[in-house]
Amino acid sequence: NAGVMQNPRHLVRRRGQEARLRCSPMKGHSHVYWYRQLPEEGLKFMVYLQKENIIDESGMPKERFSAEFPKEGPSILRIQQVVRGDSAAYFCASSPIGGGQNQPQHFGDGTRLSIL
Amino acid sequence: DAKTTQPTSMDCAEGRAANLPCNHSTISGNEYVYWYRQIHSQGPQYIIHGLKNNETNEMASLIITEDRKSSTLILPHATLRDTAVYYCIVSAGTSGTYKYIFGTGTRLKVLA
Repeated sequence: NAGVMQNPRHLVRRRGQEARLRCSPMKGHSHVYWYRQLPEEGLKFMVYLQKENIIDESGMPKERFSAEFPKEGPSILRIQQVVRGDSAAYFCASSPIGGGQNQPQHFGDGTRLSIL
Repeated sequence: DAKTTQPTSMDCAEGRAANLPCNHSTISGNEYVYWYRQIHSQGPQYIIHGLKNNETNEMASLIITEDRKSSTLILPHATLRDTAVYYCIVSAGTSGTYKYIFGTGTRLKVLA
């Protein structure tokens, strides 16, 4: 999983606080995807972004969750007013410029979010 | 819902070939089949992908049936480090989005 960098690796928040998760894609990749994984489950798609654009946010909860991928800097997944149910592993993946169906996504090692 | 179905779990003896099947009977003509694995709680690791021809790389081989409704991932000489959950994914979504829809995968245990 070298290349896609996520930080922090572990994040602990109390209910009601904000969580910010960062993802730096592989060099040369301008497509970023966020997925969430609950314990003992598969990954669930959340959002797909290109630089400065949200392409598909069909998996994002309607409230409290937002994502961005600015022209400069990492992609950010932001969760406001966290609740216990937000506890999960959040994975970021990236694919190359013009990534299509022949361009596999490469994943980071995730951020483990724990809500107290 | 995932467009693939896989057995929940499999065991394989160390040194033997591990053959992991996947059904994707509703696959569209332009959709690729991707295989990933997840070891412990790490991020999914890309293994191999293909459209209709069989593929081989340093990690594994991918056999896709002629009708493309199923495929098999082959790890030729399984080691203990291959113990992981293996996911078969068909690229999904409307045009312009390439999100993955993960199923529950196959939990492969390689036995010494």
